[in-house]
Amino acid sequence: QKEVEQDPGPLSVPEGAIVSLNCTYSNSAFQYFMWYRQYSRKGPELLMYTYSSGNKEDGRFTAQVDKSSKYISLFIRDSQPSDSATYLCATYNQGGKLIFGQGTELSVKP
Amino acid sequence: DSGVTQTPKHLITATGQRVTLRCSPRSGDLSVYWYQQSLDQGLQFLIHYYNGEERAKGNILERFSAQQFPDLHSELNLSSLELGDSALYFCASSGGTNNSPLHFGNGTRLTVT
Repeated sequence: QKEVEQDPGPLSVPEGAIVSLNCTYSNSAFQYFMWYRQYSRKGPELLMYTYSSGNKEDGRFTAQVDKSSKYISLFIRDSQPSDSATYLCATYNQGGKLIFGQGTELSVKP
Repeated sequence: DSGVTQTPKHLITATGQRVTLRCSPRSGDLSVYWYQQSLDQGLQFLIHYYNGEERAKGNILERFSAQQFPDLHSELNLSSLELGDSALYFCASSGGTNNSPLHFGNGTRLTVT
């Protein structure tokens, strides 16, 4: 079993839609979770950084951690064509290494 | 702009050759990480250096090696290159405290022909 699993998509939505991106992780001891956005031919860019359970909001983005089900989510409100990118979830494993999901490719159509 | 600089942006070389990728971390960051990204494997952790010392290794091949210099820049050396080594290689840096988020450069795209 992979330590972090993410549906690779692709996911296509119309402009203005609410987008939900999800990951599951294997170990309930993981506590630090991140979401990165990666545009084509660019490096991953940090979007959200959360610790333990709960929600964190930043503008149109909300990160949610549900430790009971080992599930993390990223919600994008009022999605824009400029949000079209690959979104990667990440967490620190027990060995202290930052491990990534496979990434979900999102396309927001005007 | 993350503040992490990687050179070169692109590299094309032949099988059996050796290349060196360079990374300058964000100002003040002591930790440097190297990742490999390929279509089928996603982002894979290779190695972590903190203030010149190796801290952790991932699934890094023996043909690959890295170092971090006193000025904190880092180099990743890839030797005896194979077609399968073609990938994007990313460097990331962080302030060094455990569980800090990483900040990535824009990568070096390596093509082995």
